[in-house]
Formats: sequence, C-alpha cells, structure tokens
Amino acid sequence: AQTVTQSQPEMSVQEAETVTLSCTYDTSESDYYLFWYKQPPSRQMILVIRQEAYKQQNATENRFSVNFQKAAKSFSLKISDSQLGDAAMYFCAYTYSNSGYALNFGKGTSLLVTP
Amino acid sequence: GAVVSQHPSWVICKSGTSVKIECRSLDFQATTMFWYRQFPKQSLMLMATSNEGSKATYEQGVEKDKFLINHASLTLSTLTVTSAHPEDSSFYICSARPSGGYNEQFFGPGTRLTVL
Repeated sequence: AQTVTQSQPEMSVQEAETVTLSCTYDTSESDYYLFWYKQPPSRQMILVIRQEAYKQQNATENRFSVNFQKAAKSFSLKISDSQLGDAAMYFCAYTYSNSGYALNFGKGTSLLVTP
Repeated sequence: GAVVSQHPSWVICKSGTSVKIECRSLDFQATTMFWYRQFPKQSLMLMATSNEGSKATYEQGVEKDKFLINHASLTLSTLTVTSAHPEDSSFYICSARPSGGYNEQFFGPGTRLTVL
C-alpha cells in the first residue's frame, strides 16, 4: 500500500525565517509524482510545488523548494523568507500512473507564522 | 486557466434527503475527476474516481449506492449523497485532471454539507 506520512502536526516559524516541513512516503512504484499543497482557511487547495520521481534535480518555486531523497523516500518542503500569508495547512501528496493519478495525502502540517 | 467550480458552496439539509453537488471544469476538458472528503481537522480522503462515460471507481469503505457519481460530460461530474445522515456532514472537494495524459489535477473550492 502506498502511504504518505507527515510527522509534524504543527510547526511555527517567525516571519522572514526558514522552515522545513517533513514528508516520507512508501511505494513500490517506479513512476510516481510528489506534491505539496497548501490549504488556507478558505480551504481551497493550492499547489505549491511538484516533483517527478524520475528527476534527480530538486524542484523549486520562488521561496519554496524541496529536498527529494528518493532512496530514503523523503520529500521535505523548505519555505524561505516566510511570510504571514504562508500560514496554512500543508499537505504532502503522492500519485502514480496506475492509480489514474488519484492523490494520496498525508495528514497535514499546520504552519503558524509569527510576526 | 484551469479553473474548477463546485456548486453549491454550502448546503444544509434534513436527514433522509438527497443532495447533489456539481463539479465543473470551466476552461478545460477533464476525462477524469476525483471526489474527496475532508472531515474537520483531517486530511483529504479519496472517495472515488470518476471517468467520463463510465462507472466511477469507489475506494474501499465508500458506499457506491449512497454516494452516486455521474460523469456525463468532459466538463461535469456530479456527486449525489442519497438519504443523507448527520455522519455524512463533511467538506466535499472535487478535482479535475485535464484530458491528454496530464498528471496534475485542479481542485474546486469545496462544498460544505451539513445534515441536520
């Protein structure tokens, strides 16, 4: 079974600082994709960043970057220069082609950003 | 681009009634749509995968006779909660995957269902 584990229910970071959210996954698939989604209080799911498993280079999107360790099945999200608007629930998600690309989500990490 | 709408955004109904939730991809065609359920302070759980023109595939533990899914066109999928009970109260979110082998999906804003 494919599982996604987020071991940090809550994290806190000061504005302008850097925070890393952890995610591990378990899979026997070779062709898969990993995502980080942000869910603000509006509950609209927002894609933050994605990583294709076949790519060795870590994905980056402005202040967001990932540390993808394929052998360790780890996919952490680093948020640099944290902003108040980054406060939200963050979900790590996994999908693969044989699932029809349905997403399997972790339990989420609630990120608090303090001034 | 890649906008997905859901209607209604919230609904309150009496126990025993049925509720229909619509999910539309506004600016793209979606061969596949997904329905997720999110209970308070929990993660999203996949309920079913809906493919245009065919029967939906339900996840284990999801009653297909209770949660009726219809995906009659490339831009519309509907979820009908039949004979709703208070335990069906939840946040229902749909997502749509663009046709053409695209592996990303776009989410609707969700529907909050409250069953009294």
